[in-house]
Amino acid sequence: IAGITQAPTSQILAAGRRMTLRCTQDMRHNAMYWYRQDLGLGLRLIHYSNTAGTTGKGEVPDGYSVSRANTDDFPLTLASAVPSQTSVYFCASRPGGGRLDTQYFGPGTRLTVL
Amino acid sequence: AQSVTQLGSHVSVSEGALVLLRCNYSSSVPPYLFWYVQYPNQGLQLLLKYTSAATLVKGINGFEAEFKKSETSFHLTKPSAHMSDAAEYFCAVSGVDYKLSFGAGTTVTVRA
Repeated sequence: IAGITQAPTSQILAAGRRMTLRCTQDMRHNAMYWYRQDLGLGLRLIHYSNTAGTTGKGEVPDGYSVSRANTDDFPLTLASAVPSQTSVYFCASRPGGGRLDTQYFGPGTRLTVL
Repeated sequence: AQSVTQLGSHVSVSEGALVLLRCNYSSSVPPYLFWYVQYPNQGLQLLLKYTSAATLVKGINGFEAEFKKSETSFHLTKPSAHMSDAAEYFCAVSGVDYKLSFGAGTTVTVRA
């Protein structure tokens, strides 16, 4: 069982380019999340999906979009990257049973926007 | 609304010494609290979580945390630090919408 896979592992991107970060889970979890991690700020929620076909905005959604066409995949798209989107991005999933659920994290994607 | 505050962005301890990481929470509902650990260049993994069943929660790798409602705290401890404990630690609280709110993190350095 792989858990959560993210691709690419790292990427350097020119400002203004479009980029999609991929996230796939094989645990059949209902809920999925995208976070960005920045030094001194911890993890901040970008977007989430409680179940396939639904998405919601988190704390810092501007400049990002997501889709949830099926249970396993939750891609994050930067339509036109800016340097402030330089960060480490983590995808996570949760079974969906309630507030006690553990969130499981992927290994992360390190993105640099120049 | 829910939030957590981690006191101290960096903690340095000697190998074999006590590790104490502080977390205070704010929650409008009975809190469900989590500690996660992040090793260098890895994702986060769960250390332990408070489920209201017991105030003292034991986790993996010898860590434990005590929930104190009167102090709105959920501090993480380990009696004897090991070199492998060097990592970043995050406290988090689960909101009514099941989303986690994370603290800023505490980096632990272990001196030989």
